[in-house]
Amino acid sequence: KNEVEQSPQNLTAQEGEFITINCSYSVGISALHWLQQHPGGGIVSLFMLSSGKKKHGRLIATINIQEKHSSLHITASHPRDSAVYICAVEDNDMRFGAGTRLTVKP
Amino acid sequence: SQTIHQWPATLVQPVGSPLSLECTVEGTSNPNLYWYRQAAGRGLQLLFYSVGIGQISSEVPQNLSASRPQDRQFILSSKKLLLSDSGFYLCAWGGGSRGYTFGSGTRLTVV
Repeated sequence: KNEVEQSPQNLTAQEGEFITINCSYSVGISALHWLQQHPGGGIVSLFMLSSGKKKHGRLIATINIQEKHSSLHITASHPRDSAVYICAVEDNDMRFGAGTRLTVKP
Repeated sequence: SQTIHQWPATLVQPVGSPLSLECTVEGTSNPNLYWYRQAAGRGLQLLFYSVGIGQISSEVPQNLSASRPQDRQFILSSKKLLLSDSGFYLCAWGGGSRGYTFGSGTRLTVV
């Protein structure tokens, strides 16, 4: 079993829909990252959080340390949000989820 | 502020050719540096990490090597690329209380 599990693996949405991607982990962590990988492969760091909630534009990330769970939300989704979203957790090392492939259709 | 530069963004190389991917950091000294690889359909996997100049630890056996010739420079190399070396390579620095910062990645296609 992977130490970082993401769900769903693939997600297709219509433009404007509210998107939620989930990440569960089984190790103690010092921080959790959400990364966005564009179709060309480039990585963008979206959030790093260790508690509570962060918001940047239409993106919201939450983390529940007790439940070892984080969610990434996208409000008013747009085709340009189509990408792979990767959850990564820090303990002594960095551990990555397998990613969620999001496709937003116009 | 600390920044990390990784290049090139994409690379197409023939089988048997050499490889050199470079990662440099700015705004910090003596960083821990990491190379990760993402094979098709799989998550990112740690390949190498370095805690200082000339200090390289390898996590998985492979056709690749890493070097750290300067404090803020981390290089991923291969003498002869294999088809199976195709993938996405990501450099990162940090760890511990400072957290991690990621490069933008390199998409390598071996043909």
